[in-house]
Amino acid sequence: DQQVKQNSPSLSVQEGRISILNCDYTNSMFDYFLWYKKYPAEGPTFLISISSIKDKNEDGRFTVFLNKSAKHLSLHIVPSQPGDSAVYFCAAARQGAQKLVFGQGTRLTINP
Amino acid sequence: DGGITQSPKYLFRKEGQNVTLSCEQNLNHDAMYWYRQDPGQGLRLIYYSQIVNDFQKGDIAEGYSVSREKKESFPLTVTSAQKNPTAFYLCASRHRPGLAGGPLGELFFGEGSRLTVL
Repeated sequence: DQQVKQNSPSLSVQEGRISILNCDYTNSMFDYFLWYKKYPAEGPTFLISISSIKDKNEDGRFTVFLNKSAKHLSLHIVPSQPGDSAVYFCAAARQGAQKLVFGQGTRLTINP
Repeated sequence: DGGITQSPKYLFRKEGQNVTLSCEQNLNHDAMYWYRQDPGQGLRLIYYSQIVNDFQKGDIAEGYSVSREKKESFPLTVTSAQKNPTAFYLCASRHRPGLAGGPLGELFFGEGSRLTVL
C-alpha cells in the first residue's frame, strides 16, 4: 500500500520558469511533510518541510504548499535553474513515529 | 566535517554470498536507518535503530540483518536469502528518537552503496 504517491515519474521545465512537483498521501495521520532532493549516485539531501498546522512554507526559491483536505502537497521552484535537475522525493511522517514514508520520486529536468 | 560515510560505494557479489555494507556517522545521532532504492519505487525502509543494541524491522527486512553495537555504526548484511539484492542502498541518521519529522528530526543520508549481484 503506497501511502505517499508521486504520480509523475518525470517533469521537464525550461530554465527560468516555475517547476511544480506534486505529492499525494492517503494516511490522514501524517502531520509532517518533507521534500528531499537527490542527485545520481548520491544520498538525498533535505530541502524543505512543512507541518500540518501550516499550509505554506517558503525558503528562497522553494515553496511547499499543503492542502490537508485534498491530502496533497506540492513543491514550487521558481525560477528553475539547471542545478535543480535531480530526483525529488516527498516524505511524510506522524509526530512520534519512528520513520518517514517516501514517495517514488519525480525526476526534474531543467532545460536551458 | 561531520557526516555519514557508507562503504563500499560499489560492490559486486556472486549469488549465494553474503555481503556487509558499512555505515558510520560522526553526527552524534541516536537513530540510524537503512533504505533501499529501486527505480520507480522510491525509498523503502529495511531496518532502523533508535538506540545502541536495539533495532527494528522496516517494511522490507526479509533477507537482511543489522547490528548496532556502537552509536556510530550500523552495518547492513545482505544475505543469500534476499531474492533480489541488486539495488542502491542508503544509510541515514537523525537526532531525537521518536520524532520522525521536525527541524531536528530530518534525515541525513550517506552517499549510498550500489550492490550488483552477478
